[in-house]
Amino acid sequence: AQTVTQSQPEMSVQEAETVTLSCTYDTSESNYYLFWYKQPPSRQMILVIRQEAYKQQNATENRFSVNFQKAAKSFSLKISDSQLGDTAMYFCAFMKTNFGNEKLTFGTGTRLTIIP
Amino acid sequence: EPEVTQTPSHQVTQMGQEVILRCVPISNHLYFYWYRQILGQKVEFLVSFYNNEISEKSEIFDDQFSVERPDGSNFTLKIRSTKLEDSAMYFCASSEAVDRVEEQYFGPGTRLTVT
Repeated sequence: AQTVTQSQPEMSVQEAETVTLSCTYDTSESNYYLFWYKQPPSRQMILVIRQEAYKQQNATENRFSVNFQKAAKSFSLKISDSQLGDTAMYFCAFMKTNFGNEKLTFGTGTRLTIIP
Repeated sequence: EPEVTQTPSHQVTQMGQEVILRCVPISNHLYFYWYRQILGQKVEFLVSFYNNEISEKSEIFDDQFSVERPDGSNFTLKIRSTKLEDSAMYFCASSEAVDRVEEQYFGPGTRLTVT
């Protein structure tokens, strides 16, 4: 079974600063995907970024990037030039990929607050 | 932009009662999921559904739970006899493809309170 650990329950950062959210996972699978989902207050979860385990290059989406360390089973999310709209719960998630879409295994989340 | 919708947003029920949580997935999606999040805990997978049958279910998804796609648009989760520990946020999700990894789109959730 897979496990996902987010060791930072809450974080806060000043607007325009950079923040890094940590995530570690444990799996014996060789093929998998990792995701970061954002859940703003009272709104649905939306995908921020995803990483295929077989790709060595770290994924980037505008101000969001990941540091994927496969050997260490670490998958951190970096948010650059943070904005007030980045205030949300952030969930790290794991999906094994044998036949396509499978279940997501989530971490407990990090509540991020951007301070004006 | 298409989105997953869920009704109701909040449901209060008494222990032992049946509840049905409703979801309308994105129209061209083929794979459907239910997850739940007990307050303060992680989001947990309950069940996935494809081609009118359950693809996978977790140990949480016992005989008290059932899912159905009664028509071409709705996807429902029924809890036959609710328990206090069923109080949680229930999220529906859908994804487009079966044979490749695609994003799972989540609904806003239904908060179920069992008293």
